[in-house]
Amino acid sequence: DTEVTQTPKHLVMGMTNKKSLKCEQHMGHRAMYWYKQKAKKPPELMFVYSYEKLSINESVPSRFSPECPNSSLLNLHLHALQPEDSALYLCASSQEGRQGRYGYTFGSGTRLTVV
Amino acid sequence: KNQVEQSPQSLIILEGKNCTLQCNYTVSPFSNLRWYKQDTGRGPVSLTIMTFSENTKSNGRYTATLDADTKQSSLHITASQLSDSASYICVVTKYGNNRLAFGKGNQVVVIP
Repeated sequence: DTEVTQTPKHLVMGMTNKKSLKCEQHMGHRAMYWYKQKAKKPPELMFVYSYEKLSINESVPSRFSPECPNSSLLNLHLHALQPEDSALYLCASSQEGRQGRYGYTFGSGTRLTVV
Repeated sequence: KNQVEQSPQSLIILEGKNCTLQCNYTVSPFSNLRWYKQDTGRGPVSLTIMTFSENTKSNGRYTATLDADTKQSSLHITASQLSDSASYICVVTKYGNNRLAFGKGNQVVVIP
């Protein structure tokens, strides 16, 4: 299994809703990431988990709350989002410390629309 | 200044023709360079990955080159197909961490 699976593929939520994005990988990767990508822009790093611990938070607003329940799962909890948070949210994983020759694999993304 | 610059920003090519995309980077120290293909609204899919000692890497009709001395890479698409229409993103990893530096992408449109 060489995939990163993200659910849901599409999500529409109101500004008062609470929702979660889910990401799963079974490649034994110990580093997992959340990215935000706006149209026609490169992905922007949000969070990095290394061995299930949050190692990087790129000054992301608290309305985005990441969670890593185990080494295969990564969640992103959403609450009180703004319309400008509408974007493609990408999950990725890699072998910790092995970024040279091993995969840095992206999921297919969740298209989020905040109304 | 962006550490990864790609050119051309966009191009239109006829089906069956070849094209070459360019990537220049300033990331240092260098770990590896990857080319990804990204369809609109989808996640990036890895095409090639090259480390310092690799000069060329092929994946089907895609061939990537790397000159680590001049910090340049190219992606050559042979015999383009309509399904090659996508954004091609050059991504450079800095040695010592898992930070990726993304280019803004080359938007390729293949027309019949």
